[in-house]
This record gives sequence, structure tokens and C-alpha cells, in this order.
Amino acid sequence: GENVEQHPSTLSVQEGDSAVIKCTYSDSASNYFPWYKQELGKRPQLIIDIRSNVGEKKDQRIAVTLNKTAKHFSLHITETQPEDSAVYFCAVLSGSARQLTFGSGTQLTVLP
Amino acid sequence: NAGVMQNPRHLVRRRGQEARLRCSPMKGHSHVYWYRQLPEEGLKFMVYLQKENIIDESGMPKERFSAEFPKEGPSILRIQQVVRGDSAAYFCASSPQNMNTEAFFGQGTRLTVV
Repeated sequence: GENVEQHPSTLSVQEGDSAVIKCTYSDSASNYFPWYKQELGKRPQLIIDIRSNVGEKKDQRIAVTLNKTAKHFSLHITETQPEDSAVYFCAVLSGSARQLTFGSGTQLTVLP
Repeated sequence: NAGVMQNPRHLVRRRGQEARLRCSPMKGHSHVYWYRQLPEEGLKFMVYLQKENIIDESGMPKERFSAEFPKEGPSILRIQQVVRGDSAAYFCASSPQNMNTEAFFGQGTRLTVV
């Protein structure tokens, strides 16, 4: 089955700095790559996604890049704010599966 | 549209009891997914259902766990004879088709086995 690895597991940045979280996957047929944000005790919420026919997607301070050859994709958050502090999960929909496989999560802390 | 509704939000069961977790998908969504999240871990897929059909239960333990999504009413995840290791947050997600479009998660049910 699909294997998704996410790094780092924890990340602390100063307010205003950028944060980058990276995920690798194993199935070259994977075609959909969403990122979810989960605040403590709350539900995971989709923040951005990208499909395999696109290399980069941006939404205000958040961007995702995809390198299909290397089988990795990354979340970029610029001008971080304290409210960005949360756990971020990458996920992959592989070619043969019909449900998402999640990474292990990154605890992002934005220090004021 | 009330979103994906899960109940109860919190459930406490003694070892050996049964736990029933309910999920009502968003209006118009016919695909339901159950995920389990252990403390400080990621989401692990359990089962994928459509109305009256289990499509993929590859992530669900073979014993004590079962799921259904009847023609009428919510999807139910049932855990029989609960053990301490079943303590986790159980999230339900729904989508209008398979997960290559945005899947919406419910607030989760936090099961504690004492």
C-alpha cells in the first residue's frame, strides 16, 4: 500500500518567518495531495490541495509544490502568525486506493 | 448545510462494553470514511462505505469492529468488548464521490475506555 512520510514532526518558527513541511510518498500513480490543519481537539480541515497535473498552487500565504519525479510535495506558509500554530497533515490519494493515506503530522508552533 | 455530524462527541465505556459511534454525512454526500487517531498520531484509515455497501474495510480490525451505512440513517461504527487500546478519537469524513475531491471531517468522537 501507499507509504507517506512527513518531516519534520515538530517545527518552531518566529512570527513572520516562513515554515516548510515536506512529505514523500511511494506510489508513483498517486494523483491527489491535500494538506489538512488540525487545531487541538478539533477536526482536520483542508487548507490546500494539489493534483498531479500541477506543479505548484498558491492561496494567499499558503502554497504547495509537487515534484512527481522525486515523489515529494511540500507545504509552504509565509509570514507566519500565531494562529497558524496547529498540527498539519499531508495526505495522498494513490492510484489504486479510494481513500486518503495520511502522514504522521507536524506540530507547528509560531512564537510571537 | 450542517456539515458532517458525529455523536456522541465524548464516550466513556468500561472494558468489555460496546461502543456505538454515529456519523451523518453532509447533505448530498454518499461516501463515508472512518479514521482513527491515537493521541499525538496521524489519522489511520479504517473503513469506506457507501449506502448499504462496505467498499473497503482493509483498515479495520477483523474482530470486534464493524461498520454500516444503512439506506436510512447515519453510518455507525460499532466496537464490541472494548479494550483500553481502543481509546482514541474516531473521525468520520464524507465526500460526494471518492476522496479525489475535498473530504469534510466531522468533529470526531473521543472514546475513552476505563
